[in-house]
Amino acid sequence: AQTVTQSQPEMSVQEAETVTLSCTYDTSESDYYLFWYKQPPSRQMILVIRQEAYKQQNATENRFSVNFQKAAKSFSLKISDSQLGDAAMYFCAYRSAANDMRFGAGTRLTVKP
Amino acid sequence: KAGVTQTPRYLIKTRGQQVTLSCSPISGHRSVSWYQQTPGQGLQFLFEYFSETQRNKGNFPGRFSGRQFSNSRSEMNVSTLELGDSALYLCASSPATSIYTDTQYFGPGTRLTVL
Repeated sequence: AQTVTQSQPEMSVQEAETVTLSCTYDTSESDYYLFWYKQPPSRQMILVIRQEAYKQQNATENRFSVNFQKAAKSFSLKISDSQLGDAAMYFCAYRSAANDMRFGAGTRLTVKP
Repeated sequence: KAGVTQTPRYLIKTRGQQVTLSCSPISGHRSVSWYQQTPGQGLQFLFEYFSETQRNKGNFPGRFSGRQFSNSRSEMNVSTLELGDSALYLCASSPATSIYTDTQYFGPGTRLTVL
C-alpha cells in the first residue's frame, strides 16, 4: 500500500530564513503525482506545489521549491525567505491513477518574528 | 470563481443520530472527494465521485455514504453516529480533466461534534 511519511511533527524557522520539510513515500508504481498542501490555523487547505513523477526537473513556485528524489522516494519542500504567513500545517500527499490521495501526518511550521 | 463551499460549517449531534453534510464544488469541476480529518488519524480518504458515480471508496464502515447530483454538488451521510465520528469533514473538488493529475481544491470543512 502506498504510504506517505512526514517525520517532522513540528518545525520552527526564523522570519526571512529558509526551512526544509521532509517527506518520504512508499510505492511500487512508476507514474504518480506528489503534492504539498498548506493548512493555516482555522483556514482551508490550499495547494502549495505539485510534482509529476515523470519530470526530473524539480517544481518551483515563487519562494517554494521541492527536492524530488524518485529513486529515494523523497519529496522535500523548501521555503525560502520565510514569512509570518507561512505558519501552518503542511501536508505531503501522493496520488496515482490506481489510488486515492494519500496524505502524510503533517508538519506544523512555526515562523518566529 | 467562487471556491468550494460546505454547509453547515459546524454541527453538533448526539450518538445514534444521523447527519448529512453538503458540498458545492467550484463551477465546472466534475469530481468531488471527501476526507475525514482527526488529530489522531490525520486526513483519511472517504470517497470520490465523478459524474454522479462513486469512483473510489476509502476504508470506512457502511454508515458512511455519499452521492453526487447532476450539478456536481455532493452530499455525504453518516448514520448511527458514534463518538469517534467527531472530526473535520473536508470536501475537495477538481476539474477531472484527467483521472488523477488534477489538483484538488478544498473547502473550509464541516466541524462535526458527536456528544
